[in-house]
Amino acid sequence: GNSVTQMEGPVTLSEEAFLTINCTYTATGYPSLFWYVQYPGEGLQLLLKATKADDKGSNKGFEATYRKETTSFHLEKGSVQVSDSAVYFCALSEVQGAQKLVFGQGTRLTINP
Amino acid sequence: DGGITQSPKYLFRKEGQNVTLSCEQNLNHDAMYWYRQDPGQGLRLIYYSQIVNDFQKGDIAEGYSVSREKKESFPLTVTSAQKNPTAFYLCASKFSGARPGNTIYFGEGSWLTVV
Repeated sequence: GNSVTQMEGPVTLSEEAFLTINCTYTATGYPSLFWYVQYPGEGLQLLLKATKADDKGSNKGFEATYRKETTSFHLEKGSVQVSDSAVYFCALSEVQGAQKLVFGQGTRLTINP
Repeated sequence: DGGITQSPKYLFRKEGQNVTLSCEQNLNHDAMYWYRQDPGQGLRLIYYSQIVNDFQKGDIAEGYSVSREKKESFPLTVTSAQKNPTAFYLCASKFSGARPGNTIYFGEGSWLTVV
């Protein structure tokens, strides 16, 4: 079946550091890929997405590139801020049927001033 | 404003009681979903519905029930048969159809605690 594996957390960085959160997937066909962010006590917000190989999703300084050859969708940001502290979820949308989202386990990110 | 509204935000339940979590959306979305999130873990799918009057079990449907009488509404009932119901529950919705990148949007969630 379809699955998503994320880099285990928690991840703690200093402000202005470079961020990478690894995400790999297993899927039938060519799923769409997503990164969602969850702030404490809140629901999930879409951060960025990519729908086909070599697409790059970007938003708020975050980027991720759909790599079919390595089945990966790693999240990166060049200079993190304290306000980026949150839990980040990688997900794929199934190609057929109900297009349910399949989530990774989430990575908690803490940015220290 | 358009969006997904979940209520209540916090709910306490005694063991043996059924409780119902509300989810309403005004985005004209066809499909709706319920996910469960346990602390430090990812999201698991409970039930989903692609059209009115139809719904399917997700990965962890045991102890839960849903209805979809209206397009806008998809309430979730946590029954006494659910052995470990304390969790954060998230409702989501999207347009149907096999368009790539069709985005699922989430509500703010409901915290359920069994006391």
